Amino acid sequence: EPEVTQTPSHQVTQMGQEVILRCVPISNHLYFYWYRQILGQKVEFLVSFYNNEISEKSEIFDDQFSVERPDGSNFTLKIRSTKLEDSAMYFCASRWDRDTEAFFGQGTRLTVV
Amino acid sequence: KNEVEQSPQNLTAQEGEFITINCSYSVGISALHWLQQHPGGGIVSLFMLSSGKKKHGRLIATINIQEKHSSLHITASHPRDSAVYICAASSNNDMRFGAGTRLTVKP
Repeated sequence: EPEVTQTPSHQVTQMGQEVILRCVPISNHLYFYWYRQILGQKVEFLVSFYNNEISEKSEIFDDQFSVERPDGSNFTLKIRSTKLEDSAMYFCASRWDRDTEAFFGQGTRLTVV
Repeated sequence: KNEVEQSPQNLTAQEGEFITINCSYSVGISALHWLQQHPGGGIVSLFMLSSGKKKHGRLIATINIQEKHSSLHITASHPRDSAVYICAASSNNDMRFGAGTRLTVKP
């Protein structure tokens, strides 16, 4: 069964460092998403991406964040200068169309120290 | 006020019991999703619905668009159903999540 894969599963980084979280969406999907879940809190939408551009972003997704689909298979989330409050589980998801089922990756747990 | 509200927050049941988890939303939606999150953190999509009712095995999801309300039912619950169940409302290009219902099914 096709699945969304995320790497790494866990990343520890120093405050102020740049991190790149990687996702490989399901191959024929066209819509891509990043979400985050701070420990003990609900999942929050960060950004959606379609046709090689951001289609929507939340207020969380500020200038420190960027997304890219560099090669037609990977979908990355970059955090330029990490803060302690960026520590969270980050989920990637993909959908074939806007109104179809979303498939989630297993998540990357980011710990900023 | 949260745009997606779930109840209850926590639910403990005995194996075999019928479970109902409720979700109310205040935003306009194109679809309502029920998701399952296991202790390891991974999220699995259970249902996506925009009207009526869907059934998959022991799980049933219903939605009432006029009342902006959805329910997830689990029949003959089993300890392996223990997880966090999340309701999420999608519209346009984003998805708004409820806080989740932590279900524990005891043998």
